[in-house]
Amino acid sequence: DQQVKQNSPSLSVQEGRISILNCDYTNSMFDYFLWYKKYPAEGPTFLISISSIKDKNEDGRFTVFLNKSAKHLSLHIVPSQPGDSAVYFCAAKYTNAGKSTFGDGTTLTVKP
Amino acid sequence: GAGVSQSPRYKVTKRGQDVALRCDPISGHVSLYWYRQALGQGPEFLTYFNYEAQQDKSGLPNDRFSAERPEGSISTLTIQRTEQRDSAMYRCASSAADNEQFFGPGTRLTVL
Repeated sequence: DQQVKQNSPSLSVQEGRISILNCDYTNSMFDYFLWYKKYPAEGPTFLISISSIKDKNEDGRFTVFLNKSAKHLSLHIVPSQPGDSAVYFCAAKYTNAGKSTFGDGTTLTVKP
Repeated sequence: GAGVSQSPRYKVTKRGQDVALRCDPISGHVSLYWYRQALGQGPEFLTYFNYEAQQDKSGLPNDRFSAERPEGSISTLTIQRTEQRDSAMYRCASSAADNEQFFGPGTRLTVL
């Protein structure tokens, strides 16, 4: 059973609009969450993270929201740009433990 | 500075052969991780090291898979007696602080 789920395989938005990518997890012991972005033929690159002691973390155009009671997190990109087109992976882990558990990714396409 | 490098980038082998995949982490990174990624899925944890010590090998699918990091830097993932189901992208990542991971470009393994 998948402990981290990204239920939308793909998302298409218009340039300048908001992109919202969603992620659900089942293991309530996870206490650190990360988003990675992946371009074709490259490895995933870290984008933004959030600890379970917070409910929001913002970095420029990227904001991650965490709802612990719902075991749900989301990544907001505002405004979306064509260069944001990539696969976005949600990951969850225990703080200070090595392995991350990844979702299957959402492919974001931002249309000019 | 240099990122995580992996070699070879592509490996085609015949069923039953052994393969060795190499990962060169970012200099100074304490932790090194191995993941396997099937097409359309997220990275799946295999094993990880702190320095030369293998901390968790719970993701290795069976005893044909092994990994080492003898001097706390370069790591090798070895698959013995390869099978067609071993075909996948194998990704290495390293980290300094134990949360954010830096991924290499991966080794695409094809077992014929």
